[in-house]
Amino acid sequence: KNEVEQSPQNLTAQEGEFITINCSYSVGISALHWLQQHPGGGIVSLFMLSSGKKKHGRLIATINIQEKHSSLHITASHPRDSAVYICAVRFETSGSRLTFGEGTQLTVNP
Amino acid sequence: DARVTQTPRHKVTEMGQEVTMRCQPILGHNTVFWYRQTMMQGLELLAYFRNRAPLDDSGMPKDRFSAEMPDATLATLKIQPSEPRDSAVYFCASGLVAGGLYEQYFGPGTRLTVT
Repeated sequence: KNEVEQSPQNLTAQEGEFITINCSYSVGISALHWLQQHPGGGIVSLFMLSSGKKKHGRLIATINIQEKHSSLHITASHPRDSAVYICAVRFETSGSRLTFGEGTQLTVNP
Repeated sequence: DARVTQTPRHKVTEMGQEVTMRCQPILGHNTVFWYRQTMMQGLELLAYFRNRAPLDDSGMPKDRFSAEMPDATLATLKIQPSEPRDSAVYFCASGLVAGGLYEQYFGPGTRLTVT
């Protein structure tokens, strides 16, 4: 069964802390996306990965294909990073269909 | 600054009424996706099109939902008749699929409330 699991569901941090959000999936994938959804509801794609590691500013995304696991890291977190972070996976057998994790609600306090 | 647009942004309607949501994908993108987001189910794919042809609509209740792309600049999602359980935020996304990896760009969503 094609499944995506995220952890933690909720995460509260103090400004400046290093944050890690995890995503595990069940079977082989073509690509994995990390999305950010702000309180206003808009969804922005942060990263798209099929292997290795990507970095954009304070955000880093890694993927381990053998372990079927990806992590999203935020360094020097800031209150404006408060949002829901969603892992979405395109399974090898699913064409262009994305399967979404339940999301991680991140709150960064000043 | 190219972006996906959706109209209306908010829609409140009564049960049994027809609802039409519209999406304008980014010019040049060949794939359009319709997603629904609810508190209970999270984000789920309803349907997607490649070069205006439906490729997968298995996530869509066929009896009341229909999705079309009358032309390359417009995608529509219709619900007839609408029911309270259809209340959700409906997102459209577009992407240029030309091989393995491609980004999806999301519209702002249509928040639908069916009373």
